[in-house]
Amino acid sequence: AQSVAQPEDQVNVAEGNPLTVKCTYSVSGNPYLFWYVQYPNRGLQFLLKYITGDNLVKGSYGFEAEFNKSQTSFHLKKPSALVSDSALYFCAGGAGGFKTIFGAGTRLFVKA
Amino acid sequence: NAGVTQTPKFQVLKTGQSMTLQCAQDMNHNSMYWYRQDPGMGLRLIYYSASEGTTDKGEVPNGYNVSRLNKREFSLRLESAAPSQTSVYFCASSEPQLAKNIQYFGAGTRLSVL
Repeated sequence: AQSVAQPEDQVNVAEGNPLTVKCTYSVSGNPYLFWYVQYPNRGLQFLLKYITGDNLVKGSYGFEAEFNKSQTSFHLKKPSALVSDSALYFCAGGAGGFKTIFGAGTRLFVKA
Repeated sequence: NAGVTQTPKFQVLKTGQSMTLQCAQDMNHNSMYWYRQDPGMGLRLIYYSASEGTTDKGEVPNGYNVSRLNKREFSLRLESAAPSQTSVYFCASSEPQLAKNIQYFGAGTRLSVL
């Protein structure tokens, strides 16, 4: 069965420090991988995706993610966190069909 | 740009009552989805519609029905609400062929079943 795991319920980081939000996946074939962000009382917003090509994917708001096939990981990163980055982050994946599997979400707190 | 619009935003039901959640998108997307979001469980797919005229079950379809009314609209119906259906419901749309299934979400409907 396909699955996406986010091992951390919460990540705390100081403003200006680098942040990493972890994601591992189990998807058959070549995976399509995504990161979404959810702000309070809002729907999910797309941040970035990996379909094929370069393992380092750049997305919105200065975020990037690194695809690692051997470790089946797709960690979200940002070199310098902002307080406004505080939100709920979801990793998602699929095999290219209509069904996308979402992780449980990781809450990011950035402290000023 | 409205994107994906869901109504209502909030709803309180008594056990056994029925209701329909409405969703409309103005991006001319072929595919639409209904998810529920529960704490610690991420988003779980209830039903989806790959294209107008088709609907398919997702991970948690029991207790729900859907209608793809036209290309723009995809509704979710609870025939006899149960407390276990207390959740936040999200509608999403996508254009799989063009954007590799990047999904665009509505703001959600918060449903409480008492």
